[in-house]
Amino acid sequence: DIQMTQSPASLSASLGETVTIQCQASEDIYSGLAWYQQKPGKSPQLLIYGASSLQDGVPSRFSGSGSGTQYSLKISSMQTEDEGVYFCQQGLKYPFTFGSGTKLEIK
Amino acid sequence: EVQLVESGGGLVQPGRSLKLSCVASGFTFSNYGMNWIRQAPGKGLEWVAYISSGSSYIYYAETVKGRFTISRDNAKNTLYLQMTSLRSEDTALYYCARYEYSSSTMDAWGQGASVTVSS
Repeated sequence: DIQMTQSPASLSASLGETVTIQCQASEDIYSGLAWYQQKPGKSPQLLIYGASSLQDGVPSRFSGSGSGTQYSLKISSMQTEDEGVYFCQQGLKYPFTFGSGTKLEIK
Repeated sequence: EVQLVESGGGLVQPGRSLKLSCVASGFTFSNYGMNWIRQAPGKGLEWVAYISSGSSYIYYAETVKGRFTISRDNAKNTLYLQMTSLRSEDTALYYCARYEYSSSTMDAWGQGASVTVSS
């Protein structure tokens, strides 16, 4: 199975600050990487697919990058509504696997 | 509007069975693969099972293989997860999620059905 290692586990950011979350795959996943946001008590929502493509309706302050085994999610200007837990997920092969999550809070 | 609504969760004793349902609306259900994904209390996401649009391809996580069965009824726009020989470690919120083939992602999720396995 492909292992997804996500860091950091938690993060505090001020309003307007740029935030970066990392995700490393145990093997090359050829940009088959998605990012999800989960707010408290809600189901996950797709933010980024194909490592760098923005899902419809997602604010442009979110962006994804990376290739091979290293990927990152960037929030260019932290907003209060961005608080939540962020997960990466590899979609190259089954079993699909998720990172352990990054809890993002406002400082 | 795409909607996925799970039902069938509850409290069940270890070793017993439970069947979850997920009713889809707002899109052509028969055109999409579907997944079940679970989240134990306070934990991360764990993919459980996948079924292709026409039920030709089915995959399971090793943790549930042989105990869980995923199925679908395209005429009823409904996805199922039959869970048998339940264990305490199966306690979780179970989400159904639509699979988008072009991006290999889960692009729509239900609100989840809670399953608690306890004596």
